[in-house]
Amino acid sequence: IAGITQAPTSQILAAGRRMTLRCTQDMRHNAMYWYRQDLGLGLRLIHYSNTAGTTGKGEVPDGYSVSRANTDDFPLTLASAVPSQTSVYFCASSDSHEAGEQFFGPGTRLTVL
Amino acid sequence: GQNIDQPTEMTATEGAIVQINCTYQTSGFNGLFWYQQHAGEAPTFLSYNVLDGLEEKGRFSSFLSRSKGYSYLLLKELQMKDSASYLCAPMDSNYQLIWGAGTKLIIKP
Repeated sequence: IAGITQAPTSQILAAGRRMTLRCTQDMRHNAMYWYRQDLGLGLRLIHYSNTAGTTGKGEVPDGYSVSRANTDDFPLTLASAVPSQTSVYFCASSDSHEAGEQFFGPGTRLTVL
Repeated sequence: GQNIDQPTEMTATEGAIVQINCTYQTSGFNGLFWYQQHAGEAPTFLSYNVLDGLEEKGRFSSFLSRSKGYSYLLLKELQMKDSASYLCAPMDSNYQLIWGAGTKLIIKP
């Protein structure tokens, strides 16, 4: 693994289903983030984690949950998917919350029908 | 509230120079980032300014004026591979990046 990986690359999901998007980094970064990107809008922060064992809510957290059991992994769960959650999801990490420069994974394209 | 303004789209010619402007309003300020994003790909870091002035990195330069809430990204000797979206992202007092919608730059031969 080099950098940040995300899985799956893309997914079509029926509304009401539960889905977990996976994110793993091997840079030993303390901070990790989940964003969604929709056409015409900037990246919007869903949840973040400043360090393993802690998480926080971003701008658009409703309908999503995260966990940070260790430094490397930061999964994002949609408990019951809705069509408005159709988006491209990016995971990112940074050396620290204050460092600023974020490194992004390749993204997951999610379609909820 | 927090707000980022940058042009939606710009067109330039291969070999020319283009300046992408960004104005921002944030709750506190801890620097400003520019990222490049090619279509269908993830954003990648280009530059960071925390003090007023110009930061130069090869063909790309970025300028910041904190008092005016203004930044620009200058791209010289444009190449076709520079066709991408350019994202302006100031960092607020909580060290969160506030992302603009991006400027789509189209390079024509």
